[in-house]
Amino acid sequence: RKEVEQDPGPFNVPEGATVAFNCTYSNSASQSFFWYRQDCRKEPKLLMSVYSSGNEDGRFTAQLNRASQYISLLIRDSKLSDSATYLCVVKSMYSGGGADGLTFGKGTHLIIQP
Amino acid sequence: DVKVTQSSRYLVKRTGEKVFLECVQDMDHENMFWYRQDPGLGLRLIYFSYDVKMKEKGDIPEGYSVSREKKERFSLILESASTNQTSMYLCASSLSTREPSYEQYFGPGTRLTVT
Repeated sequence: RKEVEQDPGPFNVPEGATVAFNCTYSNSASQSFFWYRQDCRKEPKLLMSVYSSGNEDGRFTAQLNRASQYISLLIRDSKLSDSATYLCVVKSMYSGGGADGLTFGKGTHLIIQP
Repeated sequence: DVKVTQSSRYLVKRTGEKVFLECVQDMDHENMFWYRQDPGLGLRLIYFSYDVKMKEKGDIPEGYSVSREKKERFSLILESASTNQTSMYLCASSLSTREPSYEQYFGPGTRLTVT
């Protein structure tokens, strides 16, 4: 059973371009949604939470579509430093993912090329 | 500044050895977690703890045990290491289950190789 699915990539994108990737989740009772970023050989770190109305943080925009059960991340004016793996994370009441009920996707690998 | 530390960045052990991985957080967080991360499989939850001396199995607890004697410290134990436990082990903590405290803070990871 795949609760959170992401395209693993890699997405090879030229610097300055806009890139978007989606994540689908299977549990309709999911409550909260997040994007984490993981640099090569580093630990994951929270990039942004995803709110129902959609939210923006600088060049990053996150959107939630509850009807279709997917979330998206859009990166505008991409920088070399955006190269990383982006993990989609879902919190569900009964996901069995632990005290927080967080379930991590396997990540989408993004490579920004000069 | 939030900090989660792990006892070793790299560890090499032999098959059958008992292995201890230590994790310490200095944020007075209630919840602590142990994950392993493998290529193509993503992050998988091994065990978690929501209080001192409390522990719950995650998705892949077989071959592992944990100990939480103090709030700030959560240990992962491999009773008899096997080669299929070669992996990156990540410890994480979070404040509580109450929103907006869902953010999990991760340690730098321990890359364990079992030969």
